[in-house]
Amino acid sequence: EVKLVESGGGLVQPGRSLRLSCAASGFNFAAYGMHWVRQAPGRGLEWVSGISRTSGSKGYADSVRGRFTVSRDNAKNSLFLQMNSLRPEDTALYFCAKIGGEGVTGMDVWGQGTTVTVSS
Amino acid sequence: AIQMTQSPSSLSASVGDRVTITCRASQDIRNDLGWYQQKPGKAPKLVIYAASNLQSGVPSRFSGSGSGTDFTLTISSLQPEDFATYYCLQDYIYPWTFGQGTKVEIK
Repeated sequence: EVKLVESGGGLVQPGRSLRLSCAASGFNFAAYGMHWVRQAPGRGLEWVSGISRTSGSKGYADSVRGRFTVSRDNAKNSLFLQMNSLRPEDTALYFCAKIGGEGVTGMDVWGQGTTVTVSS
Repeated sequence: AIQMTQSPSSLSASVGDRVTITCRASQDIRNDLGWYQQKPGKAPKLVIYAASNLQSGVPSRFSGSGSGTDFTLTISSLQPEDFATYYCLQDYIYPWTFGQGTKVEIK
């Protein structure tokens, strides 16, 4: 079974850091681009960051560029999101997702998300 | 960043209705657009990729069209399980951007 499981969320004070992880199983993790998408309570989806198969290409939303860093460890089938200088507006459910591959350009598998709450 | 303008923001429809949702990009994105369905408390689900390609396992009543800046998601005959929020996403260039969503509600 193809599966993504996020972890690392929690309650953190403004200005502090948090590192999210996404554990992949059931597929060749190293062969697929990966992404982070978030959803603030009661709001729409916001794309956060993406990383290519070999980490050679990375992208960030304007709202997180310079504060968040995406990375991956293909040997450990894991995706990460290092979040620094957190703000209350970063409060959201964070999903990781994989690119479909084999011509499927969308994100075809998603985790269930991990909740980040930024509050004093 | 490319802005994606989705309309309507919500709509009410009955089972069996034909439903159309549109998405407009602020610049040419070729056909690099996907449509996602999200139900409350659930992760999004890919419905259409590359503007008009039906994702495996998605019913054929869903279809997508468009290229350049204007795109459409059509549900030919709305079913009870289709009531959800739909989002477009441009994956042409970083930063990728979602539309604001269209909530499809029961009339």
